[in-house]
Amino acid sequence: GESVGLHLPTLSVQEGDNSIINCAYSNSASDYFIWYKQESGKGPQFIIDIRSNMDKRQGQRVTVLLNKTVKHLSLQIAATQPGDSAVYFCAEDFGNEKLTFGTGTRLTIIP
Amino acid sequence: EADIYQTPRYLVIGTGKKITLECSQTMGHDKMYWYQQDPGMELHLIHYSYGVNSTEKGDLSSESTVSRIRTEHFPLTLESARPSHTSQYLCASSPNSDQPQHFGDGTRLSIL
Repeated sequence: GESVGLHLPTLSVQEGDNSIINCAYSNSASDYFIWYKQESGKGPQFIIDIRSNMDKRQGQRVTVLLNKTVKHLSLQIAATQPGDSAVYFCAEDFGNEKLTFGTGTRLTIIP
Repeated sequence: EADIYQTPRYLVIGTGKKITLECSQTMGHDKMYWYQQDPGMELHLIHYSYGVNSTEKGDLSSESTVSRIRTEHFPLTLESARPSHTSQYLCASSPNSDQPQHFGDGTRLSIL
């Protein structure tokens, strides 16, 4: 079946360094992708999204890259801060107005 | 900032009880969703609605039911709670399919 998967379940990064969280998807027809951040005890919080007609999109300290050739999505966080510690999920819209979520990557920022 | 509210935040209750989890949004979004999430795991869609009087089952089978009588309100009901229903339940809404879903902070449900 279709799936959205993450390469690494955990990631530890030194404060101030950049972090990269990766995500693989399998449905080449997917046209919309979203990254969410979930802190303990809270619901997922929207970070950034990208549509399939784009390769890159930048926000404040975050960049999402989409490689449709290898069906790969990544989230780059620049100059990480303690508040970036959370679980990050990628989500994929197969075009059926529903999202399919990946397993999640726990990002830990080391002071 | 999205305004979507879930109550209660935490609920510990005995087996066999009827439970209703509330979800309300003040943004006038047509689309609303319920997800189930076990600790540290991915979200699984259990119900969704595209508008008033529209409800559909999601990808993960669930014994819960939902209703959508008003645009802003999308409650989820368990007629007879069981320990297997213990989980976190997250509600989300979006204005249309090309916009991100916005989530509430969830209800953490424990069935004894």
